[in-house]
Amino acid sequence: EVVMTQSPATLSVSPGERVTLSCRATQSVSGNLAWYQLKPGQAPRLLIYRTSTRATGIPASFSGSGSGTEFTLTISSLQPEDFAVYYCQQYNKWPLTFGGGTKVE
Amino acid sequence: QVQLQESGPGLVQPSQTLSLTCTVSGGSINTWGYYWSWVRQQPGKGLEWIGYIHYSGSTNYNPSLKSRVSISVDTSKNQFSLKLSSVTAADTAVYYCARELATDNWLDPWGQGTLVTVSS
Repeated sequence: EVVMTQSPATLSVSPGERVTLSCRATQSVSGNLAWYQLKPGQAPRLLIYRTSTRATGIPASFSGSGSGTEFTLTISSLQPEDFAVYYCQQYNKWPLTFGGGTKVE
Repeated sequence: QVQLQESGPGLVQPSQTLSLTCTVSGGSINTWGYYWSWVRQQPGKGLEWIGYIHYSGSTNYNPSLKSRVSISVDTSKNQFSLKLSSVTAADTAVYYCARELATDNWLDPWGQGTLVTVSS
């Protein structure tokens, strides 16, 4: 299966800062990469699909980039509501696999 | 808009079968272009895709769980269900249901999840 590795595991930042999260795959996933935001007690939220397309209602402060095996989620200016855990997911090959997550605190 | 809600026992005994149901509201489960999926998050770990079902009944499971997993659909109730047999403490997790796009397999929306603890 395609193993997804996210770094760093934890990111300590302040509101207003620019945040960059990384996701690496053990083999090319083409552009078939999504990002999700998880908060305790809430439904996970799709942020980005197809590497760089924002899901409905996602602010422009979130952007995705990358190709092949290296991908990045950027939050241009962190808002208080953005403190959460972020996961990448590849859907190029079965089974679908997720990264281990990056906690933004 | 479509919303999903998980339901089921929060405590399951070891070696028994875990059973959860996901109720879909705001839309029909009888939609050709979507799969209906289960994902779990074990304590301190990342997300693990369990499998999906299409309203036609076709399924796809994660090989790591395939021997123990069964997903079914009840179109009359707009629900789909997960059964995981022979559970151990390692199956303790928050279980999420989600809608999966059939052509590009991202997941949206998700339910808010339900914690299932395996313990005697």
